Amino acid sequence: DVKVTQSSRYLVKRTGEKVFLECVQDMDHENMFWYRQDPGLGLRLIYFSYDVKMKEKGDIPEGYSVSREKKERFSLILESASTNQTSMYLCASGAGVYEQYFGPGTRLTVT
Amino acid sequence: DQQVKQNSPSLSVQEGRISILNCDYTNSMFDYFLWYKKYPAEGPTFLISISSIKDKNEDGRFTVFLNKSAKHLSLHIVPSQPGDSAVYFCAARIYNQGGKLIFGQGTELSVKP
Repeated sequence: DVKVTQSSRYLVKRTGEKVFLECVQDMDHENMFWYRQDPGLGLRLIYFSYDVKMKEKGDIPEGYSVSREKKERFSLILESASTNQTSMYLCASGAGVYEQYFGPGTRLTVT
Repeated sequence: DQQVKQNSPSLSVQEGRISILNCDYTNSMFDYFLWYKKYPAEGPTFLISISSIKDKNEDGRFTVFLNKSAKHLSLHIVPSQPGDSAVYFCAARIYNQGGKLIFGQGTELSVKP
């Protein structure tokens, strides 16, 4: 079975802090994705990566950056956390062009 | 600009009856559609998919129908079970943009015993 793990299930940070969310997949997938889920808005793509050291902006990249130094690991960075970044963050991985496999999510609260 | 829309935020169905979840899209370049199911405090899990060259795909109790002329797809669950209670997301892939998916807002299904 594909396993996608995220470093934290719940996280509370203060406004202005730098936040790192880590995602690791064990299936050697080329593609990795970061989404945020908000009520009434569904899943919105923040950034994605098709290969090591490669990244592309999704639909809502503002306020975020990413890093992919190894194939299995994709990190999402909030340079200076703000309250409007309080959300559920979901990481996914996939091979080729079909379904994506999601991690359990990180519920981030910024106070 | 919401390219994939699920206009019903919630749906309540009696156990044993049919659940029909709907999804509309605007982009003619979508060539593959997927449904995901999400329980609270878990990540979404893949349920069923359909290529744009087909109009129906069936997997056990789950059937997805695609009407390209209407830019509409639906997920049918028959018979519905209480364990089906979850949020269902419709997603679409744009031709020639690799694995990137566009998701709808989700529909929360509640199946009552």
